[in-house]
Amino acid sequence: LAKTTQPISMDSYEGQEVNITCSHNNIATNDYITWYQQFPSQGPRFIIQGYKTKVTNEVASLFIPADRKSSTLSLPRVSLSDTAVYYCLVGDIAGSSNTGKLIFGQGTTLQVKP
Amino acid sequence: DTEVTQTPKHLVMGMTNKKSLKCEQHMGHRAMYWYKQKAKKPPELMFVYSYEKLSINESVPSRFSPECPNSSLLNLHLHALQPEDSALYLCASSQDVRNTEAFFGQGTRLTVV
Repeated sequence: LAKTTQPISMDSYEGQEVNITCSHNNIATNDYITWYQQFPSQGPRFIIQGYKTKVTNEVASLFIPADRKSSTLSLPRVSLSDTAVYYCLVGDIAGSSNTGKLIFGQGTTLQVKP
Repeated sequence: DTEVTQTPKHLVMGMTNKKSLKCEQHMGHRAMYWYKQKAKKPPELMFVYSYEKLSINESVPSRFSPECPNSSLLNLHLHALQPEDSALYLCASSQDVRNTEAFFGQGTRLTVV
């Protein structure tokens, strides 16, 4: 399974764009990249997923370079309510014995300040 | 309905007790998951069920026993737990195991005394 590495913490201010990068050097061909957000004492919440290039939805964008060894979650114009832990996961969708193993790395704690 | 419902929200149990955690979803998802999360740590995968069959057991001690009675329900039976098993237990579901978009419940906060 591809291991993921993220910064442990980041600080930002309200209204700024935040970019969180995740490294997954040994990502496999059949792996998708997925990001989750978690608030204290709540279950994680799916944000976005992608395979390559760029994916955008109503809350975030995900940038994946051609070699897929890293990915960047971009949160536009953050607010105080975006203070949370953000996890990058690499998941096998191929039907192998690892399919379904959604393994969380250490995550990035984002603190948004007023 | 995009909810995964877990009961109870809080549970205190003694080391000799037997208790069960319950998880329910009505999204027609065929993959269901149990995770354990300690304070300030990421969720740790415990079990994965695919089409009501156990497909992944991440070497979890036998004092944790999962059960999937039907496609909507997932239980975690607890017996002879240790204080270090105190944690937030999270249930999740996804369309199937190939889908990495999972929906998580709010968790059961378990305290073993």
